[in-house]
Amino acid sequence: EVLLVDSGGGLVQPGGSLRVSCAASGFTFSRYWMFWVRQAPGKGLEWVANIKGDGSEESYVDSVKGRFIISRDNAQNTLYLQMNSLTVEDTALYYCAREPRGVGDLDAWGQGTLVTVSS
Amino acid sequence: QSALTQPASVSGSPGQSITISCAGTSSDVGNYNLVSWFQQHPGKSPTLIISEVTRRPSGISHRFSGSKSGNTASLTISGLQAEDEADYYCCSYIGDHRWVFGGGTKLTVL
Repeated sequence: EVLLVDSGGGLVQPGGSLRVSCAASGFTFSRYWMFWVRQAPGKGLEWVANIKGDGSEESYVDSVKGRFIISRDNAQNTLYLQMNSLTVEDTALYYCAREPRGVGDLDAWGQGTLVTVSS
Repeated sequence: QSALTQPASVSGSPGQSITISCAGTSSDVGNYNLVSWFQQHPGKSPTLIISEVTRRPSGISHRFSGSKSGNTASLTISGLQAEDEADYYCCSYIGDHRWVFGGGTKLTVL
């Protein structure tokens, strides 16, 4: 069974940093592009970042470029999102998702981890 | 990277058909046949229901179908059922491994 478990969310002050994780199981993690998608409270989905299976390519939405870093540890089957210089606008539920065929077919999602940026 | 435009809400009665539009530009929806649709029930993670404009993953009901004309993609749900009441999001490729979602549409089954 494909399983993605998001963790690491919490309360952080503006300007602070936080790293969220996504533990994957039930599939060959290194073969898949992985995504982070966020959802602010009561709002819609927003693509945040993604990373190729071997970690050689990554992309970011403009609003987080230079502040967030996506990475992966294929030996540990874990995806990460390092978030720096956080602002209140980054408050959201952060989901990881798997993309099997490189065509936006996000067929498995974590349960999400809540990041709250507030003073 | 502006969000794709979806109607905020649509509604229909059981058994009816509804269509949700997803308007983009020639840089996203109009330029790539890489539009996906996701269904999200309250408090749940999204579920993929359509990829590559028209492709339905295994296990997804035939009542869900996708199409595209120019810069606008559409999701049609036929034979509406109470369980279809949810939020629906489109998502398009915009190049360089980047993606953009629509603002989401709340479907109410009357």
